[in-house]
Amino acid sequence: EDKVVQSPLSLVVHEGDTVTLNCSYEVTNFRSLLWYKQEKKAPTFLFMLTSSGIEKKSGRLSSILDKKELFSILNITATQTGDSAVYLCVFRGEYGGSQGNLIFGKGTKLSVKP
Amino acid sequence: DAGVIQSPRHEVTEMGQEVTLRCKPISGHDYLFWYRQTMMRGLELLIYFNNNVPIDDSGMPEDRFSAKMPNASFSTLKIQPSEPRDSAVYFCASSLALKEPYEQYFGPGTRLTVT
Repeated sequence: EDKVVQSPLSLVVHEGDTVTLNCSYEVTNFRSLLWYKQEKKAPTFLFMLTSSGIEKKSGRLSSILDKKELFSILNITATQTGDSAVYLCVFRGEYGGSQGNLIFGKGTKLSVKP
Repeated sequence: DAGVIQSPRHEVTEMGQEVTLRCKPISGHDYLFWYRQTMMRGLELLIYFNNNVPIDDSGMPEDRFSAKMPNASFSTLKIQPSEPRDSAVYFCASSLALKEPYEQYFGPGTRLTVT
């Protein structure tokens, strides 16, 4: 069965800290891995990763994928209180697969203290 | 565009009652997804449609759940009869499959409480 595991489950840091969120997966028919940020509402898209070793960056956030070791990390530098959210790692498979289109990890809850 | 629209935003009902959740996807999107989110199980895909046709409903918990998409701009998720364990936030999302970077756009969710 396809599986996406995120760690840690929760994390508390202070403003200015750098954090690394981890996502490992055991999946078949890999197409891409996505990261979402979820605050007190619906998830919003951050990154899509399809190739190993190529870092995606957006401001203070960056992410990279290792398809050989089957994991991805999401880095946030100089954290701010507005970064407090649940970060979801998502595997995207083939449309029509038995698991549907997206398989979500349980998420990492990040709390950034002032 | 207004984004994905869901209604109602909150629903409180008694066990045994029928519940209908509604979704209007982003115009032009050809995929529509229904998700359920709970603390215990996280975000789970229930069913998804392509061009109004259900593609995979293997995530639907049981026969009490049914979903329809009568046209490209409207979908419903129905629970009959509802049970307390159905309490969750139900998200609808839509996407344009061939557009990169791939992204699903989520609605604000319906928070369902079954007492």
